[in-house]
Amino acid sequence: EVQLVESEGGLVQPGGSLRLSCAASGFPFSSYSMNWVRQAPGKGLEWLSYITSSSSTIYYADSVKGRFAISRDNAKNSLFLQMNSLRDEDTAVYYCVRGAPGKRFHYFDPWGQGTLVTVSS
Amino acid sequence: EIVMTQSPATLSVSPGERATLSCRASQSVGVYNLAWYQQKPGQAPRLLIFGATTRATGIPARFSGSGSGTEFTLTINSLQSEDFAVYYCQQYSDWPLTFGGGTKVEIK
Repeated sequence: EVQLVESEGGLVQPGGSLRLSCAASGFPFSSYSMNWVRQAPGKGLEWLSYITSSSSTIYYADSVKGRFAISRDNAKNSLFLQMNSLRDEDTAVYYCVRGAPGKRFHYFDPWGQGTLVTVSS
Repeated sequence: EIVMTQSPATLSVSPGERATLSCRASQSVGVYNLAWYQQKPGQAPRLLIFGATTRATGIPARFSGSGSGTEFTLTINSLQSEDFAVYYCQQYSDWPLTFGGGTKVEIK
């Protein structure tokens, strides 16, 4: 069974940092691209970042570019999101999501259960 | 950025009836670069349709997708109780990847 399990989020002060991790199992992690997607409370879905299987290509949404960094460790079947300079508007549930097979299509399947990050003083 | 617009925001449907959800892109996303997701309260989204028309593994045949270019439709035939949820479309024609604002399908 494919599983994606995010680390616990938590409460962070504005301007602070947090590193999320995602443990993948049940599939050849090193063969798939991965993404982070978030959802603010009561709001819709926002794609944040993409990383290819080999980490050779990375993309970010403008809303997090320069503040967030995606990375992965294929030996440990893990995906990471380093979040710096956090703002109130970064408060959301963060989902670790597997990309589609191959490099051409970029839909998301499956999704982790999500972890809540709250940015507040 | 390609803006995805879903309508209606809320759709009230009786069990057993058909629901038709629309998704419009601000520019063409081609024939295959559109996915649909279902999200129930307190749960992560689940992939329903990719390539605009292809059902994901395990998705019942009552869910169907159609469309191309800028206009796409998700149809749910004979709504079951478990189908009442929020549905999102997503384009993957260009970066950044973008979602529509969602359509909530509620019990009439």
